[in-house]
Amino acid sequence: GNSVTQMEGPVTLSEEAFLTINCTYTATGYPSLFWYVQYPGEGLQLLLKATKADDKGSNKGFEATYRKETTSFHLEKGSVQVSDSAVYFCALTGGNNRLAFGKGNQVVVIP
Amino acid sequence: DTEVTQTPKHLVMGMTNKKSLKCEQHMGHRAMYWYKQKAKKPPELMFVYSYEKLSINESVPSRFSPECPNSSLLNLHLHALQPEDSALYLCASSQDVGAGQNYEQYFGPGTRLTVT
Repeated sequence: GNSVTQMEGPVTLSEEAFLTINCTYTATGYPSLFWYVQYPGEGLQLLLKATKADDKGSNKGFEATYRKETTSFHLEKGSVQVSDSAVYFCALTGGNNRLAFGKGNQVVVIP
Repeated sequence: DTEVTQTPKHLVMGMTNKKSLKCEQHMGHRAMYWYKQKAKKPPELMFVYSYEKLSINESVPSRFSPECPNSSLLNLHLHALQPEDSALYLCASSQDVGAGQNYEQYFGPGTRLTVT
């Protein structure tokens, strides 16, 4: 079945630091890949997506590239702000439109 | 407009109460979803409606009863819930749910449910 693995544990970093959150996946066929963000007390927002190999999704300074050879979709941002503090979920759909989520990473940005 | 709205934002109910959660989208999407999310966990799929018909029920207890009155509305009727049902209930929609195609899902802000 489809599955998504995110790096363990919260991520704490200082403002203006570089952020990377690792995401790897297992899927049959040609999944679409997503990053969702959940701010405290809110629902999930679609942050970015990629639908085929080598696609780069980008939004609000965040980027992720669909790497089929390494089955990865790592999220990066060059300079984080306090307002980026949230939980980030990597997810995929594999043809039946069921979303498979990773466990999520809490990101805390310290001023 | 990629907005999914949900009401109420918060709900506290006793174990003998009957209440309903409501979800609405005006994006012309033909698939709608209910998810349950516990604290510090990813959302768990409960139900999927496709073209107003229930297509997936993830073995959800019958105390949760979904309803799709039309293509824009999705309800979740609650009856005789247990304290462990306390969670954030999220609604989502997507353009379609066709086999072989992957459509992004757009989520609402959720209803925070507390069962006392």
